[in-house]
Amino acid sequence: GAVVSQHPSRVICKSGTSVKIECRSLDFQATTMFWYRQFPKQSLMLMATSNEGSKATYEQGVEKDKFLINHASLTLSTLTVTSAHPEDSSFYICSASRPAEGTYEQYFGPGTRLTVT
Amino acid sequence: KNQVEQSPQSLIILEGKNCTLQCNYTVSPFSNLRWYKQDTGRGPVSLTIMTFSENTKSNGRYTATLDADTKQSSLHITASQLSDSASYICVVSEDDYKLSFGAGTTVTVRA
Repeated sequence: GAVVSQHPSRVICKSGTSVKIECRSLDFQATTMFWYRQFPKQSLMLMATSNEGSKATYEQGVEKDKFLINHASLTLSTLTVTSAHPEDSSFYICSASRPAEGTYEQYFGPGTRLTVT
Repeated sequence: KNQVEQSPQSLIILEGKNCTLQCNYTVSPFSNLRWYKQDTGRGPVSLTIMTFSENTKSNGRYTATLDADTKQSSLHITASQLSDSASYICVVSEDDYKLSFGAGTTVTVRA
């Protein structure tokens, strides 16, 4: 159990366009989902925390108008990169949280490789 | 600033050999420490979770240790296999949701 999927796995888009990435918890309901980005050879950086039915909480330095997050249901969160620029090219990973071993475990999706040309 | 430092940055080992990865942290307050395995181009997969009171936890050939007094943890891989080639990330949690990630140790297992 505890499978998280992301779609698409890879996407290439032109500068100025918008891209939507989906994150789904396949076999459990997640009240909280998280969005991370990861640059090569670096650790994951939290972008925002998303709670079902409410506005996302963005980390300092992350533009909420550029990275739109919607958490419409307990199994689906979406990240839309608006007006993408080449510097937005990165590996985007979502995670979904559920109770495990006395705490909350985050189960990560397989990631989405975004390339902006 | 809460930090998680991992060493070495990378290592190469021969198949069948053992290795130990290190993690030092300054995260406070401390809730738990996790080790994840991340294959190239994939999301991290949890290996172990340890709370303050736990000193060691195993998951197959992976054994994690925790010294909460010195704020150090290690991940030992026994009898390495080619499939162990990956990045291993130490993650320290302040609470149920806020995680501090290390930069990872890249392990390459060679035949």
